[in-house]
Amino acid sequence: DQQVKQNSPSLSVQEGRISILNCDYTNSMFDYFLWYKKYPAEGPTFLISISSIKDKNEDGRFTVFLNKSAKHLSLHIVPSQPGDSAVYFCAAAGSKTSYDKVIFGPGTSLSVIP
Amino acid sequence: DTAVSQTPKYLVTQMGNDKSIKCEQNLGHDTMYWYKQDSKKFLKIMFSYNNKELIINETVPNRFSPKSPDKAHLNLHINSLELGDSAVYFCASSLRGGNEKLFFGSGTQLSVL
Repeated sequence: DQQVKQNSPSLSVQEGRISILNCDYTNSMFDYFLWYKKYPAEGPTFLISISSIKDKNEDGRFTVFLNKSAKHLSLHIVPSQPGDSAVYFCAAAGSKTSYDKVIFGPGTSLSVIP
Repeated sequence: DTAVSQTPKYLVTQMGNDKSIKCEQNLGHDTMYWYKQDSKKFLKIMFSYNNKELIINETVPNRFSPKSPDKAHLNLHINSLELGDSAVYFCASSLRGGNEKLFFGSGTQLSVL
C-alpha cells in the first residue's frame, strides 16, 4: 500500500536545464510535504517543504509545487547542476506539528549530465 | 563535528545473533527516530522517542528493541537476527518532534548471512 508514489525511478537532465521530479499521494489527510536529497553512503538531508495552505514554496534554485486536488506535488530544480545528482525522496505527513509518522516515497535518482 | 552519528556503518553477522546499533545526536533535539530502508528503497519509520519517551512504535517484530538512555542517544538492539532484517537502518532526530525536518545519520548497512 504505497501512500506516496514516485513513479519515475530515475531521471537524466543536462546541466543548466530544469529538473522536474514528481510525486503523487493517495491519502487526502496529508497536510504537509517534504523533499529530501540523498547522496550514496549518506543519510537523507532535508531540502524543502510545503504546507497544504500553499501551492508553491521556493528556496533558491528549488521550488516545490503542490496541487492538492490532484494529490500531486513536484520539485523543480533550475538550473540543474552536476552536484544535484542524488536520490530525491518525497515525503508526506498529517501536519507539521503532529506526531503522525512521515511516509516516504521510494525515491527518484536524478543524474545531471555536465 | 557530525550532527547525528551512528555506529557501526557496516554490520555483517550470522542469523540468530544479537546485535546493536548506536546513535547519538549533538543538536540538542528532543526527538529521535529509527528508520529502515528496505530492498525496495522505501524509508519506513520503526520507532520515535521524544525526551526518552516512546512516541511511535510501528508494527515491528519485538526482536527489535530501542533504548534511549537520554535524549541525545537512541540505540537499537536486535535479537535473533533473521535474513529479512538485512537493510539499511537510519537514525534521525528533529528539534521538537512532529514532522518538521529530520536530520539523518549516515546509515548502518546490516547484512545477515
